[in-house]
Amino acid sequence: QVHLVQSGPEVKKPGASVKVSCQTSGYAFINFGITWVRQAPGQGLEWMGWINPKNDDTTYEQEFQGRVTMTTDTSTSTVYMELRNLRSDDTAVYYCARYGDCGRISCPFDYWGQGTLVTVSS
Amino acid sequence: VMTQSPSTLSVSPGERATLSCRASQSVSSDLAWYQQKPGQAPRLLIYGASTRATGTPARFSGSGSGTEFTLTISSLQSEDFAVYYCQGHNNWPRYTFGQGTKLEIK
Repeated sequence: QVHLVQSGPEVKKPGASVKVSCQTSGYAFINFGITWVRQAPGQGLEWMGWINPKNDDTTYEQEFQGRVTMTTDTSTSTVYMELRNLRSDDTAVYYCARYGDCGRISCPFDYWGQGTLVTVSS
Repeated sequence: VMTQSPSTLSVSPGERATLSCRASQSVSSDLAWYQQKPGQAPRLLIYGASTRATGTPARFSGSGSGTEFTLTISSLQSEDFAVYYCQGHNNWPRYTFGQGTKLEIK
């Protein structure tokens, strides 16, 4: 049974950094990419980037380039997302999700973490 | 860019709901639909434009190809009132979402 379990809520001041974890279980960790998607209050879903746990290759959305880093710990099957130089408009729920295995060349996100609320406020 | 319409749809339980999604350029049949309820993560409903994900009830059906797609819910149940997002999943790994359609009880 596949599970993605994220770390708890965070409150940060502007200019600080936050690191959110996503511990996976129930499947072969290195075989599936992990993405991070965020959702500001009352807003839609925004793709931030992804990491390949097999080789730690990453691709980040241009908006977050230079501020975000995604890493893995294969010993614990955990993925991390660090966002630096936080601003008030970074206040959002951050989700990790798995690129699925759907029998097609490209598959959408089949399993999601429960979300982590990051609040940025002075 | 994925554009969904309408932004809000009001439908009575038991009736049919039809949600639309338009892509600014062709995504072939690589189109997914997600359902999101308040306080929950999105849940994958449909991928490949028309294939139901594991656990998706048969009353949900997807259609379309290229740039025009539709999600139909044949007979709305109380648990179906939620926000629905479409997503093109052709441009790996950068999959973009539509802005969402809120399906509310009429």
